[in-house]
Parts: sequence; C-alpha cells; structure tokens
Amino acid sequence: GEDVEQSLFLSVREGDSSVINCTYTDSSSTYLYWYKQEPGAGLQLLTYIFSNMDMKQDQRLTVLLNKKDKHLSLRIADTQTGDSAIYFCAESGAGGGNKLTFGTGTQLKVEL
Amino acid sequence: DVKVTQSSRYLVKRTGEKVFLECVQDMDHENMFWYRQDPGLGLRLIYFSYDVKMKEKGDIPEGYSVSREKKERFSLILESASTNQTSMYLCASSTYSYEQYFGPGTRLTVT
Repeated sequence: GEDVEQSLFLSVREGDSSVINCTYTDSSSTYLYWYKQEPGAGLQLLTYIFSNMDMKQDQRLTVLLNKKDKHLSLRIADTQTGDSAIYFCAESGAGGGNKLTFGTGTQLKVEL
Repeated sequence: DVKVTQSSRYLVKRTGEKVFLECVQDMDHENMFWYRQDPGLGLRLIYFSYDVKMKEKGDIPEGYSVSREKKERFSLILESASTNQTSMYLCASSTYSYEQYFGPGTRLTVT
C-alpha cells in the first residue's frame, strides 16, 4: 500500500528557516498536503500542492515537490515559537479528499 | 466555519467495556473518517464513510465498527475495549474536495 515517511523531530532557533521533509510512494497521488497539529488540538490544513506543480508559496510557507523522487518539503521562513507543533504530510490518490494517507508527523520545536 | 465536534475530549474505560465515540459535523459533508493517532505512527485510518449507511474499512479496522445513520453523525464503536486501543481518536469530514476538517480528538485510555 501507500507509504508516507517523515523524520520525527526537528529543532530550530526562532527566526531561522525550518525545512520539513516527506517522501511518499504512491505515484498516482493527485494532491499532497501539509497539516499542522497544535498541542491538544485536531489537525488543520496548512497548505496543499497539486501533483503537476513544482512549487507553491503562501506567505511564510513554501512547498516544493519533486515528483520524480517522490519528495515533498515544507519550508517555514522566519520560524516563530507559535510554529511549534506537529506537521503531517499527506497524500491522496485520484479522487481528492476522499481518502488520505498520512505520514508519521514531524515534531517541530522552536527554541529562543 | 466548518465545525467537527467529538463527544468527549478524554475518556477512561475498563477492558472489555463497549465504547462509543461520537462525531458530528455541521457542513453537510458527504465523507467522514475515523483515525487513531499514536506517537511515531502518525494517523492511521480505521473506517470511513462516503454516505449515510455506507462504510468502508481503512487500514486498521480490527476491533472496531462504525455506524452512520444520519449524514452529520459518524460513530466509532469498540465492541470490547482492550488496552492496545488506548490512543487518540480523531474524526474528520470532507466534501469531494481536497481538505479534510478535523475534530479536536478524544484521548481514550483503556485500563
């Protein structure tokens, strides 16, 4: 079946850029997503990218997609303490949001 | 704003008890999902439903069942709770679009 992998932890200093990486196996993925989970809360969609795009920028967030290597990354510029959370990568096959496969999540810790 | 609510934030049950987790969404979404979240394993899909009275198994359905009698409500049932079902349970809903909307989660402890 589909598999989505992420590193478990990332620690950065406030003001630096954070880069969270994700690899996936399903070549039929239509959309790829980044969700954020703050402590004690459910997941919230941060951004998404369609599989025929290479890059998407949304304010401090930049998503890069390398479809050949099945590699997705999320860059957060000027990381703030409020960015501390778990970030999940997810992918969908044909059909969009009907069913998603999530990665293990990356715990981002922002230090002063 | 889409709202997905779950009946309890925290729940403690004994081994062998029957457990009901309720999820309600207010946006007339067709699709509803139940996940469990465990450290280092991410979110794993238990069951999902794309219409009233319809259900499909996800990746880890064993030990669980679901019920969807009304469009807005999706229930997860643990017929006989076991300690390995201690976890965070997340409900989500979606239309036929890219975004799933999540509830706040229910942290279930089975002792």
